[in-house]
Amino acid sequence: GAGVSQSPRYKVAKRGQDVALRCDPISGHVSLFWYQQALGQGPEFLTYFQNEAQLDKSGLPSDRFFAERPEGSVSTLKIQRTQQEDSAVYLCASSRIPGQGSEQYFGPGTRLTVT
Amino acid sequence: EDQVTQSPEALRLQEGESSSLNCSYTVSGLRGLFWYRQDPGKGPEFLFTLYSAGEEKEKERLKATLTKKESFLHITAPKPEDSATYLCAVQTVGGFQKLVFGTGTRLLVSP
Repeated sequence: GAGVSQSPRYKVAKRGQDVALRCDPISGHVSLFWYQQALGQGPEFLTYFQNEAQLDKSGLPSDRFFAERPEGSVSTLKIQRTQQEDSAVYLCASSRIPGQGSEQYFGPGTRLTVT
Repeated sequence: EDQVTQSPEALRLQEGESSSLNCSYTVSGLRGLFWYRQDPGKGPEFLFTLYSAGEEKEKERLKATLTKKESFLHITAPKPEDSATYLCAVQTVGGFQKLVFGTGTRLLVSP
């Protein structure tokens, strides 16, 4: 079966532009996560969806970051007015069920470079 | 605040030279500890989940163990294809399901 897919794989944006990053989770997975990974660092949590409900957005760094999952499957992470510090790899992960120990499966990530 | 610390930052081994990677954690309540492997340009790949102290899991040349304060990833007779960054993460009680990651250990296995 297909894994988590993300698009685009690479995105170059000029400072001040808006970007939208897409995540297609594994079919049937209830939970969906977004993480940000800076070079040489571990992933850092941004936000979490259970179906279409955004249950935790405590990791979003500013109000320029917005995520949605309107039908409980595909999710989009939007960054408005991009800044250089937004340059990172954005990872999406999904898991089958909420609850203890449900492992998260990651996509390949979108590498965002803000110039 | 929940914290995960991995050591060493980087490790260079000869093929066949066994070693261990360390992950120490400080959390309010542990729901699970996860090990992932990450190759350059790719997303993390799930390896193991450990839930309670004393638990061990094995997969090929890898064995993960858990105590109340740390986890070890033992690599037995590594091969060059084991070269990757190994990430440790914790899931905590009350933290929904988010993972808190360490910064990883970069492993290079030379033939």
